[in-house]
Amino acid sequence: DSGVTQTPKHLITATGQRVTLRCSPRSGDLSVYWYQQSLDQGLQFLIHYYNGEERAKGNILERFSAQQFPDLHSELNLSSLELGDSALYFCASSRTGYSTDTQYFGPGTRLTVL
Amino acid sequence: SQKIEQNSEALNIQEGKTATLTCNYTNYSPAYLQWYRQDPGRGPVFLLLIRENEKEKRKERLKVTFDTTLKQSLFHITASQPADSATYLCALDGGYGGSQGNLIFGKGTKLSVKP
Repeated sequence: DSGVTQTPKHLITATGQRVTLRCSPRSGDLSVYWYQQSLDQGLQFLIHYYNGEERAKGNILERFSAQQFPDLHSELNLSSLELGDSALYFCASSRTGYSTDTQYFGPGTRLTVL
Repeated sequence: SQKIEQNSEALNIQEGKTATLTCNYTNYSPAYLQWYRQDPGRGPVFLLLIRENEKEKRKERLKVTFDTTLKQSLFHITASQPADSATYLCALDGGYGGSQGNLIFGKGTKLSVKP
């Protein structure tokens, strides 16, 4: 158990809908990262928040947005969903915001768009 | 843009042998390189980090090398066991000396260790 929690574990929805994925980092970790993993693309970095502020952005679509709240939990919002958005979404946390830190990954949310 | 490749999608070896996985990268000079293990349906788990000025790092049966001239990292598991069967991911720091924190992952190599 990494100490990172993600809810829900599974999500099945229809095209055009909007969903929210939630992540609680390990106690004491200030950074939260969101990654998307699909079979053909592998693990892709989406966005990084450090202590409530956006630190880095990756290949995140405009239909996706995220935020980190004062209690450090984070939410990833996916809207106007398309079939291609079906994937595993992982949240990771680390103590600071540097690449030398170990990133602890949550169990993931499996999103299926029908 | 940066490109990271792991030598093969799958590697099958016999128990007790040494598994060697390769990670190559182009168009980039990372300050750090990390290796993660991922089991099916679960999040990646950190194994080792090696810095650009380190040639080799060891942890129990694991050894990582980092050759910045060849732009390559090798990941070795000695005396492999069936429990080592998993997908192994190579990851580079996302740039700016690692200050942005994000990682760029390879697609992984699925290792199967047969008894």
